[in-house]
Formats: sequence, C-alpha cells, structure tokens
Amino acid sequence: KAGVTQTPRYLIKTRGQQVTLSCSPISGHRSVSWYQQTPGQGLQFLFEYFSETQRNKGNFPGRFSGRQFSNSRSEMNVSTLELGDSALYLCASRTGTHSYNEQFFGPGTRLTVL
Amino acid sequence: KQEVTQIPAALSVPEGENLVLNCSFTDSAIYNLQWFRQDPGKGLTSLLLIQSSQREQTSGRLNASLDKSSGRSTLYIAASQPGDSATYLCAVQKTGANNLFFGTGTRLTVIP
Repeated sequence: KAGVTQTPRYLIKTRGQQVTLSCSPISGHRSVSWYQQTPGQGLQFLFEYFSETQRNKGNFPGRFSGRQFSNSRSEMNVSTLELGDSALYLCASRTGTHSYNEQFFGPGTRLTVL
Repeated sequence: KQEVTQIPAALSVPEGENLVLNCSFTDSAIYNLQWFRQDPGKGLTSLLLIQSSQREQTSGRLNASLDKSSGRSTLYIAASQPGDSATYLCAVQKTGANNLFFGTGTRLTVIP
C-alpha cells in the first residue's frame, strides 16, 4: 500500500505570494492533518479534515486554510506569505478521527519564502 | 496546555552502546504516546505507539515505556548503530483531542 504523498517536495516563493500544497492520504484513510515544522517552534498542528470538513484547528492565523476533496486528498493554502512561513509542512493521514487511529506522515513539503 | 519536553536535545554515542531518550509531558490526561524518527529534511517514521493503558511497547532493538502518572516516557535503543542516527520525537495525543503535541526532539548521532 502506498504511503502518504505530498507535492511539491520543495517550493520557493517570495513574500506576499500565495502557495498551495497538496497531500494524498493512504488509500482508505479519510482523515488528513497538517503540521508545520520550524527550527524555532518545532512541530505545530495546523488543522485536520475528515469527510471534507475541518474537524480541528490549531492556533494559526487565517492566512492558513485548507480543504479536502471527496477522494480524501487535501490541499493547504497560505496567502500573503511571510518570511516566517518558511518551514517543512507535513501532512498525516489516518483511517478516522478517533483517538486510537494512528497517524502516518508524509515526506513533507519544504517551503522557502524569500 | 500540553507541553512536551525531550532531554537531552542532542546526544552522541559510540556504536554498540545502549542509550535512553527521555520525554516528559505536563498533562497526564493523554490517550496515547508515540515515538517517531526523523531523518534530515524528511518526514516522520512512526517507531512505537503506546496506549495510555499500556506500560511499554517493544519493536526489535527499541523499547518504549510510559508512566502516565508522572508524565514521562523513555525510548531505549539497544546496541546502537550508525543507521540509528536521526532526530527522535515523542508526541502525545490528549484525551478528547485529535491532534498530536510534539516534543522538541533529541538529535542522536551514533559514531562508527
């Protein structure tokens, strides 16, 4: 079974631009979560989607948004990019949203904002 | 708010040594605790998941223990190898929450 895939793997943008990242979950997984990883803040939760609905949200500004499609693929969008948005963005998928559902992570998208 | 701390932040050991990585969390109302490995610039690989009702889990040379009441977990790596060099992260899932709270990580270097 294929793992979680994320595209693109690397991205360079300039301040003020917007960016869209994509995540394809493991087949059969209906929940997708997004995390941001930076050297200063570590790994922080952005949001989780299940059945095309946002179920949980972390403490990030409204510039960070996401959506999920009927095939469970998810996209994350960041508008008006800032230098501090440079990070590794990881997505994780699991079968459902129960606490016992283990999360499986993708390889990440490295975003650099210049 | 759940805070997760890992000590030490970095560790270098000669090949063959046994070692222990530590993880502590402030809120003992957790559902499970998971240990991950992250290679430079890569995603996370799950190593072990311990449910709150369990005391430990083992996989090969890895053994993770959990003491929920004291807010601590340890990851024991036996007979370390250079291929074990990576950053190790622990993460807890709070009861009633769906997201993971991650620790700060321990960067392990195993010297041949």
